[in-house]
Amino acid sequence: GAVVSQHPSRVICKSGTSVKIECRSLDFQATTMFWYRQFPKQSLMLMATSNEGSKATYEQGVEKDKFLINHASLTLSTLTVTSAHPEDSSFYICSATEEGGTEAFFGQGTRLTVV
Amino acid sequence: RKEVEQDPGPFNVPEGATVAFNCTYSNSASQSFFWYRQDCRKEPKLLMSVYSSGNEDGRFTAQLNRASQYISLLIRDSKLSDSATYLCVVNSRTGFQKLVFGTGTRLLVSP
Repeated sequence: GAVVSQHPSRVICKSGTSVKIECRSLDFQATTMFWYRQFPKQSLMLMATSNEGSKATYEQGVEKDKFLINHASLTLSTLTVTSAHPEDSSFYICSATEEGGTEAFFGQGTRLTVV
Repeated sequence: RKEVEQDPGPFNVPEGATVAFNCTYSNSASQSFFWYRQDCRKEPKLLMSVYSSGNEDGRFTAQLNRASQYISLLIRDSKLSDSATYLCVVNSRTGFQKLVFGTGTRLLVSP
């Protein structure tokens, strides 16, 4: 199946700093990528839909100025958590779908800890 | 009410047992349905799609009941390696991959 690579897999940062997470589709072009967040013992929650060359679409309750998404190419989307706080500590995961495909391929996820 | 609901479990079963999970969804316009498997601290991986006619993949059988808006997953002859969290996933928009995840049902298979 298609491969989606996400980096870093784990990051610890100080409160108030920003963290960038990259999501790459390695062997296919992804016009759309999705960013999810998962808190312990909870389901994955869609944060935003990232469209190549246009602004991301954020789900209700997700602050677009705090979670900056850039999808500059057909193989790369980035999520930047700005001015991170301890409550932003979570498992962030991206997914992508091949054009015309139905299966979502997930990155390995990024475990963010804000101290 | 959550859009996709599952019993969080855990379901503790011995090796060789048969176990069934159910999931209900609230959006009657939902088009596509899936079961994903997620191991601890890992990304979800597609286990199988769920079709209206029901489908089977080895020891796994998935069923969809559109009238009652529920989806089921049956695992026969459980293996230790089946221990994981099973996520019921619904694509709530036609032709667009907005996947809505249930909280997952945790399965623990013991020797």
